[in-house]
Amino acid sequence: DVKVTQSSRYLVKRTGEKVFLECVQDMDHENMFWYRQDPGLGLRLIYFSYDVKMKEKGDIPEGYSVSREKKERFSLILESASTNQTSMYLCASSANLAGAYEQYFGPGTRLTVT
Amino acid sequence: AQSVTQLDSQVPVFEEAPVELRCNYSSSVSVYLFWYVQYPNQGLQLLLKYLSGSTLVKGINGFEAEFNKSQTSFHLRKPSVHISDTAEYFCAVSETGGSYIPTFGRGTSLIVHP
Repeated sequence: DVKVTQSSRYLVKRTGEKVFLECVQDMDHENMFWYRQDPGLGLRLIYFSYDVKMKEKGDIPEGYSVSREKKERFSLILESASTNQTSMYLCASSANLAGAYEQYFGPGTRLTVT
Repeated sequence: AQSVTQLDSQVPVFEEAPVELRCNYSSSVSVYLFWYVQYPNQGLQLLLKYLSGSTLVKGINGFEAEFNKSQTSFHLRKPSVHISDTAEYFCAVSETGGSYIPTFGRGTSLIVHP
C-alpha cells in the first residue's frame, strides 16, 4: 500500500514564525502536492512538484514556498506565519496508473497560528 | 479548464436509508472521474474511479457511481448507509491525455443519524 506520512498531526505556531511541514511518500511517485483545506472551500492547491527540484505554483501560492530535494520528500514552508494561514494542510502524491493519476493523501496537519 | 460542482454541501440521512451525493462537471475534453472520502481527522482516500468502459462503477464500502456523459454527472450512491459512513465526500475530475492535476469539488458532508 502507498503510504504518505506528514511530520505532525497538530501544530501551533506564533505569528511571524517560520514553519516547516514535511511530507514523505514511500512509493516512488513522481508527483507530489500540497493543499490546504478550509470549511466550505474544499481543497485548494498551493504548490505541486513533478520531479526532484521542480516546483509549480498552484492556485494559492502566496505566503508559501516548497522544497523537493529528494523524490520521496516534499516540504511546505511558511516563511512568516500569519493567522490567516490557520488551516488543515494535506500532502498528496500520484503516479501514472493506466493513464490516470489517482492521488494518495497523508493524514493532514492541522496548523493553528496565534 | 475543467470544473466540478457538488450540488449539496450537507446531506443528512437516517441510518439504513439510501443516499445519493451529486456531482456535475464541465470539461471540453474527455475526463477521468473520482470520488474520495475523508473520515473525521483523516486524509482523503479513494472511494472509486471511472477511467473508461462500464459507466457503473463500484467502489469500497458498498458505494457505487454512474457516469452520465450527456448530463456530465457522476453521482455517488449507496442503497443503505451506516453510521460509519458519516464523512466528507469529494468528487474530482482530471482530463485524459496526461493531466495529473485533478480539480476537486468543494465536498459534501454526509451525516448519518441513528
